[in-house]
Amino acid sequence: QVQLQESGPGLVKPLQTLSLTCTVSGGSITSGGYYWSWIRQHPGKGLEWIGYIYYSGLIDYNPSLKSRVTVSRQTSRNQFSLKLNSVTAADTAVYYCARSPPYSYGVFDSWGQGTLVTVSS
Amino acid sequence: EVVLTQSPDNLSLSPGERATLSCRASQSVTSNWLAWYQQKPGQAPRLLIHGASSRATGIPDRFSGSGSGTDFTLTISRLEPEDFALYYCQQYGSSFTFGGGTKVEIK
Repeated sequence: QVQLQESGPGLVKPLQTLSLTCTVSGGSITSGGYYWSWIRQHPGKGLEWIGYIYYSGLIDYNPSLKSRVTVSRQTSRNQFSLKLNSVTAADTAVYYCARSPPYSYGVFDSWGQGTLVTVSS
Repeated sequence: EVVLTQSPDNLSLSPGERATLSCRASQSVTSNWLAWYQQKPGQAPRLLIHGASSRATGIPDRFSGSGSGTDFTLTISRLEPEDFALYYCQQYGSSFTFGGGTKVEIK
């Protein structure tokens, strides 16, 4: 059974870059036709998809965040990463990594536990 | 962007009762590619339904999804104590967007 685990700083200063990593165990991020996404949830609010990287390396982003986001992967470590530039308080959220199955690239069937990132000086 | 509006915001019911949650899209959802998730405090969302009506693996049959086009419904036939939680709908026909959520609370 696949497991996902987010890691990274819990506090980022305004205008700096938020960097998170998702470590995947129980399955390879380069096989099986899966999509690997980042999703965030602002405190007490709804969910927002940030971007994904496909097993082939294809990447797509939420148009509203595209100018500030980079998703990449480190295949030797079975990890994928998120970088969000020029953060503000509005980027304070719980950040999740999640997997989408090959039968439906937009359905998130496995999630990490989430990590809270606070943007503050 | 496809905007999803969930109603009601809050639903107060007793165990054993039927829960009916609504999700309305601002435009037709491509191929009825709509999912439902359950989220409990401090936990990640859990996939319940995909393709508007297909239950995810391991989801009890008291959960059912229906609808098409712009109007979708999640029904919980008989509420169990563990079903009191937040529920989100999500479309994946045009990028991916989520609704604002419905909280099902104990009456």
